[in-house]
Amino acid sequence: KNEVEQSPQNLTAQEGEFITINCSYSVGISALHWLQQHPGGGIVSLFMLSSGKKKHGRLIATINIQEKHSSLHITASHPRDSAVYICAANTGNQFYFGTGTSLTVIP
Amino acid sequence: KAGVTQTPRYLIKTRGQQVTLSCSPISGHRSVSWYQQTPGQGLQFLFEYFSETQRNKGNFPGRFSGRQFSNSRSEMNVSTLELGDSALYLCASSLWTSGGGLPYEQYFGPGTRLTVT
Repeated sequence: KNEVEQSPQNLTAQEGEFITINCSYSVGISALHWLQQHPGGGIVSLFMLSSGKKKHGRLIATINIQEKHSSLHITASHPRDSAVYICAANTGNQFYFGTGTSLTVIP
Repeated sequence: KAGVTQTPRYLIKTRGQQVTLSCSPISGHRSVSWYQQTPGQGLQFLFEYFSETQRNKGNFPGRFSGRQFSNSRSEMNVSTLELGDSALYLCASSLWTSGGGLPYEQYFGPGTRLTVT
């Protein structure tokens, strides 16, 4: 049983395209986290959401608590956005992770 | 402020040996969590330490253990290594524990890549 499901697994986009990555979870959460992992392994936390919507630059994250669903949007994608994006459900006691979405943005 | 540091960055061990990994959190952070990342299983939560006490534990065997010191630095130990323990081990620190119902941002270290032969 996967507590967190992410889609798509792989995504290739042309530079400038609008990108959406989806995350569904089945556990009760105190927050939903979006993480970015570049080749080499380093992980950066992009967003921590408990409700509504957050925006950092070209990145937007939304969450619907009733539907247990979150989306990560990238506007005007750029090759430097190429990375693996992982959603994580924070139950307060532990984290459950999605399998990640590998994004490649082609110039 | 210095970020989360992990040592060593790379490690090669033989099956049956034990290993200790170290994590130094961001100054002022009291919570340290450990994660295992493998190509097959992805990221999995190992355990969280807060104020020198293990708060939560994921679904890993007792060969995986950890501790936290009074300065919040944490170590993780794996005994009787198996080939399947080959993974990237990440630690993350946060200001406080999320266990009180209020979530806190996690800051990840660069990871220790462990290879078991």
